[in-house]
Amino acid sequence: QSALTQPASVSGSPGQSITISCTGTSSDVGDYNYVSWYQQHPGKAPKLMMYWVSDRPSGVSNRFSGSKSGNTASLTISGLQAEDEADYYCCSHTSSGTWVFGGGTKVTVL
Amino acid sequence: EVQLVESGGGLVQPGESLRLSCAASGFAFSSEWMSWVRQAPGKGLEWVANIKQYGSEKHYLDSVKGRFTISRDNAKNLLYLQMSSLRAEDTAVYYCARVTGGGFYCGQGTLVTVSS
Repeated sequence: QSALTQPASVSGSPGQSITISCTGTSSDVGDYNYVSWYQQHPGKAPKLMMYWVSDRPSGVSNRFSGSKSGNTASLTISGLQAEDEADYYCCSHTSSGTWVFGGGTKVTVL
Repeated sequence: EVQLVESGGGLVQPGESLRLSCAASGFAFSSEWMSWVRQAPGKGLEWVANIKQYGSEKHYLDSVKGRFTISRDNAKNLLYLQMSSLRAEDTAVYYCARVTGGGFYCGQGTLVTVSS
């Protein structure tokens, strides 16, 4: 149950696009489309931003998009806004029936 | 409106037990997998356990196996996490989560502090 690998931090200017990667193995990210992404502001509960790799829950901006290639999933934020500054976590189902999160990425809007 | 309200957190000493509860409303509780996710102070999210709709299947994080038990009462729309032999490293905010489409919808969480 090793954590998925995410960059510790990613930054961008308002209006730019950024991409957060999430690397796992053939027993989790590579084997299932149960990859999800979460946004968490300080002191708040995590908010589901993407599920099933690229599906957005109702109410989530279409500036957020998800994709997957092999053992790596990605979350792209287009048209970066100040309110997007937060911690982001990926998550995947695993072959043993458990779930594993990434270590988290701090997104900074410059 | 979907609501998940956790309760039962608090300060306990190492080796003691605690039971967390989660009251669910606004969705068909008995139709969904449910999970517990935790977050230690200043750390990332960590999945803890999940349970199938009628409790026939359960999975646990290796570090809590044998110490934590997840259960549910579909008649009362309640999810539980019985925690025993608690350790300092179990200190965290514990979130109840509805699992839908492979994603977790979390409640607001309850803080568990294990300290002497």
